[in-house]
Amino acid sequence: GNSVTQMEGPVTLSEEAFLTINCTYTATGYPSLFWYVQYPGEGLQLLLKATKADDKGSNKGFEATYRKETTSFHLEKGSVQVSDSAVYFCAEVAGGTSYGKLTFGQGTILTVHP
Amino acid sequence: DAGITQSPRYKITETGRQVTLMCHQTWSHSYMFWYRQDLGHGLRLIYYSAAADITDKGEVPDGYVVSRSKTENFPLTLESATRSQTSVYFCASSESPTGEQFFGPGTRLTVL
Repeated sequence: GNSVTQMEGPVTLSEEAFLTINCTYTATGYPSLFWYVQYPGEGLQLLLKATKADDKGSNKGFEATYRKETTSFHLEKGSVQVSDSAVYFCAEVAGGTSYGKLTFGQGTILTVHP
Repeated sequence: DAGITQSPRYKITETGRQVTLMCHQTWSHSYMFWYRQDLGHGLRLIYYSAAADITDKGEVPDGYVVSRSKTENFPLTLESATRSQTSVYFCASSESPTGEQFFGPGTRLTVL
């Protein structure tokens, strides 16, 4: 089956540092790709998405570009804040499936220190 | 309240007991999902539903049962709870099969 691989965490950064969390997927064709964020004690929230090759999703200063040639969707932010501390999940839903089954990566814990 | 809600938020039960986790959404989304979240595994799909009375298995369905008699409700039942079912359970809904999924706040279940 399809799988999503994220860089292992946890990731610890100082405030204003640059963030990259790597994500690669295995689905063939043109899956839709997502980054979800989970703040402590809460459910997951969509952070950004991209639905076709070369699309760039962006939200709250985070960006990710759909790279078909490298099957990647890396998450980046130029200057992280303490409030960005959370768990980040990369996910895909393969095109052509009837029920939109999201496949998640294992999650990356991000901690940002002042 | 508008949105997607889960109840209870916390539950402790014993091995062998039946437990039902509730999920309710107010958007009339067609698609609903149950996931479990475990350390090192991310989220894994248990069951999903494309509409009322249409359900199907996900990645880890064993030991779970679902029903969907109404569009807005999607209860998950553990027929005979086991310790391996200790987890955090998330319900989600979406308008389309490949669109954004909206997640509930989760239910933390402990099976002793």
